[in-house]
Amino acid sequence: DGGITQSPKYLFRKEGQNVTLSCEQNLNHDAMYWYRQDPGQGLRLIYYSQIVNDFQKGDIAEGYSVSREKKESFPLTVTSAQKNPTAFYLCASSQGAGQPQHFGDGTRLSIL
Amino acid sequence: AQTVTQSQPEMSVQEAETVTLSCTYDTSESDYYLFWYKQPPSRQMILVIRQEAYKQQNATENRFSVNFQKAAKSFSLKISDSQLGDAAMYFCAYRSIMNYGGSQGNLIFGKGTKLSVKP
Repeated sequence: DGGITQSPKYLFRKEGQNVTLSCEQNLNHDAMYWYRQDPGQGLRLIYYSQIVNDFQKGDIAEGYSVSREKKESFPLTVTSAQKNPTAFYLCASSQGAGQPQHFGDGTRLSIL
Repeated sequence: AQTVTQSQPEMSVQEAETVTLSCTYDTSESDYYLFWYKQPPSRQMILVIRQEAYKQQNATENRFSVNFQKAAKSFSLKISDSQLGDAAMYFCAYRSIMNYGGSQGNLIFGKGTKLSVKP
């Protein structure tokens, strides 16, 4: 079945450590997105990529980095510069501006 | 910049009854897309319904329908014959068709409405 796979489901980060969240899609979508969800905040856009080898900062990109070397993959690295990383992270993809975004099941990141 | 406002942090409905969730948005664009997403306790985001702004006819998907008032910039979601499985967070989202620095396709979300369904 086509879809978006995020891993791991739960992730713990130590102080000063970088961690990488995986997002893979087999929907052949050009565009991919990363969102952060905090209680009462809705979803906020971290980074997005409309095409391979290109990506743009969203509203809250500080402390995060991404890469888009393959169409299927859009990993998100939470760096040590992100001082409040505890949140639920959602990856999405879409094909075309009028098409809805499809979401993965999310990764919950916590601080040890 | 576009904004989306959901003024009801929480709503409650009796099973089999009808409930309406409110959403307003602010934009200077004439053409765009609007969406409602459902997020159950599993946290998965599920598309409920989509509306193209150039279409005057309100979108409908089974028990879910919208009341799209373009002039008022309002996009409410009506759930008929509510079921226990409808209990979830509901997010309204706006999507521009314009491409500002590659932002075409980006969703702008409201903060959500938590819907409870009473048996």
